[in-house]
Amino acid sequence: DTGVSQNPRHKITKRGQNVTFRCDPISEHNRLYWYRQTLGQGPEFLTYFQNEAQLEKSRLLSDRFSAERPKGSFSTLEIQRTEQGDSAMYLCASSLGQGKETQYFGPGTRLLVL
Amino acid sequence: GENVEQHPSTLSVQEGDSAVIKCTYSDSASNYFPWYKQELGKRPQLIIDIRSNVGEKKDQRIAVTLNKTAKHFSLHITETQPEDSAVYFCAGELSGNTPLVFGKGTRLSVIA
Repeated sequence: DTGVSQNPRHKITKRGQNVTFRCDPISEHNRLYWYRQTLGQGPEFLTYFQNEAQLEKSRLLSDRFSAERPKGSFSTLEIQRTEQGDSAMYLCASSLGQGKETQYFGPGTRLLVL
Repeated sequence: GENVEQHPSTLSVQEGDSAVIKCTYSDSASNYFPWYKQELGKRPQLIIDIRSNVGEKKDQRIAVTLNKTAKHFSLHITETQPEDSAVYFCAGELSGNTPLVFGKGTRLSVIA
């Protein structure tokens, strides 16, 4: 499968724990995006990368959220001290960049905070 | 910033009829408008997109129209089939490769 992949697909955690999600973009896509999707809503932008550079992070929901893409390939999204309100689907997308806007989404990681 | 409004939130049509979903956007500088289909428990999948230099684009049973003056764009599905049942999201992008702003989605049900 050469599409965007995400791991894990599901995560159940207790409030206060830290969680980390991984996204592997389509090979050679230099743009990588993180979105959050709650029930009945469209994806909500969180942050994105151009290669290893994080170009926008002001939309991260709080300082408990952080993302990295250290080598310009895969990316991780970490949520520290999880809260019940963090329960959602976390989607990753990638695009080729260079004027090619089409974003391809991964299957998402569904987080449930108890 | 950009804001995208989508209507209706739910839509039921008889199999074979047409379905139309409409979106409006706020930022006149937006120039790229994709439509995604999301089936239950699955990832959003691009079904069609349009850029601001054209007014209409068609792909088999699916078409999108764009009115830049009025800042709205629409998805048209003809000859609907039960497998078209899903949630459809419109989105807008301010400029090349910036994050998408999504509408809240339309749940389409095609009744056989």
